[in-house]
Order: sequence, then structure tokens, then C-alpha cells
Amino acid sequence: QQQVKQSPQSLIVQKGGIPIINCAYENTAFDYFPWYQQFPGKGPALLIAIRPDVSEKKEGRFTISFNKSAKQFSLHIMDSQPGDSATYFCAARGGAQKLVFGQGTRLTINP
Amino acid sequence: NAGVTQTPKFQVLKTGQSMTLQCAQDMNHEYMSWYRQDPGMGLRLIHYSVGAGITDQGEVPNGYNVSRSTTEDFPLRLLSAAPSQTSVYFCASSYDTLGVGYTFGSGTRLTVV
Repeated sequence: QQQVKQSPQSLIVQKGGIPIINCAYENTAFDYFPWYQQFPGKGPALLIAIRPDVSEKKEGRFTISFNKSAKQFSLHIMDSQPGDSATYFCAARGGAQKLVFGQGTRLTINP
Repeated sequence: NAGVTQTPKFQVLKTGQSMTLQCAQDMNHEYMSWYRQDPGMGLRLIHYSVGAGITDQGEVPNGYNVSRSTTEDFPLRLLSAAPSQTSVYFCASSYDTLGVGYTFGSGTRLTVV
């Protein structure tokens, strides 16, 4: 049973476009929601994270939007660049510092 | 700082063989975890540790053992390898009490034939 559901599985966007990746969760005990970026052959790296009492967080070109009532959150990448091409994972923190990850989205930014 | 170091990077095992995946971090992080990554399934937690001498099971612990005798090292043991354990394994460590600031190693790609 996937506790965090992520969509789409893959996404292709032209340079300068705004890719949006969505995640949904059921467990209301989750209390922190990070996003990770992974390049081929590398481990995931923390990109940005948000608490559930905040509706939006921006770091550079990356924005998380959070809808607590709908139990959904999303990642937007402004002015996307070919270097943003990677796999993105949403995650949620449960008890004892454990992270539950979504299935991942393979993002391709075409020049 | 070397960060999180995993060895080996690649490994092929025969069914039934045992092996240990090594993980070491030099950041004095208390929290360490092992994940496996499979296509379309994201990263799934195998085992984790909140400090030396303390370990617990994650989402998919069957067939794996861990120990944490020092803060730096967190080895993952496969007891009797099965083809279903073919995967990419990541070790991660964290500096903060929230546990979300995990630093991941570069992974071990394991194939069980």
C-alpha cells in the first residue's frame, strides 16, 4: 500500500515551462513533507521541504504548494532548464523520523 | 568530509549467497537509514537507526539485518540472497531531529541471479 501517491510518472516540458508534480497522502500523522532530486547514478538530494501549517514555500525557482485539507502537495519549477532534468521524489515524515517516499517522477526539460 | 560512503558500487550474487553492504558517514550524524529503490516504487525503507546500538525495522525488512555498533557505520546484511532483492540500495544519514535532511550515499546496485 503506497502511503504517498505521486503523479505523473514521467513529464516532458520545454525549456522555460513550469513542470508541476503532484503528491497525495492519507496519513494525517505525517508532519513534514520534503522533496528530493535525483540525477542518474547518484543518490537523492534534498531540494526543498515544507511543514503542514504553511501553504507555500519558495526556494529559488522551486516552489512547494501545500493543501492540508485536501492532503495534497505539489512541486512547481519556474523557468525550467535542461539541467533540471532528473527524477523527483516527494516524501512524508511519519513517526520515529521515518520518511515515506512517493513513486518518483522522471522529468525531462527539452532545450 | 566524504559524506556517506557506500561499498561496493556494484555486486552480483547467486541465489542463497550472503553479503554485507557497507555504509559509513563522517558527519557525526545520529540518524541512519537503508532504502531500496525499485522502478515505479520509489524508495522503500528497510531498516533505520536513531543512534549507536539502536535499530528498528522499516517498511520492507524481511531478508535483511542491520547493526549499529558505532555512530559512523551502519552495515546491511543480506542473509540468503533472492532474485527479489535485486535492486539499488541507498544508505542515508541525517543531522537534524526532523530526520528530513538526509544525505544519501551514491548507492549499491545489486543483482541476484
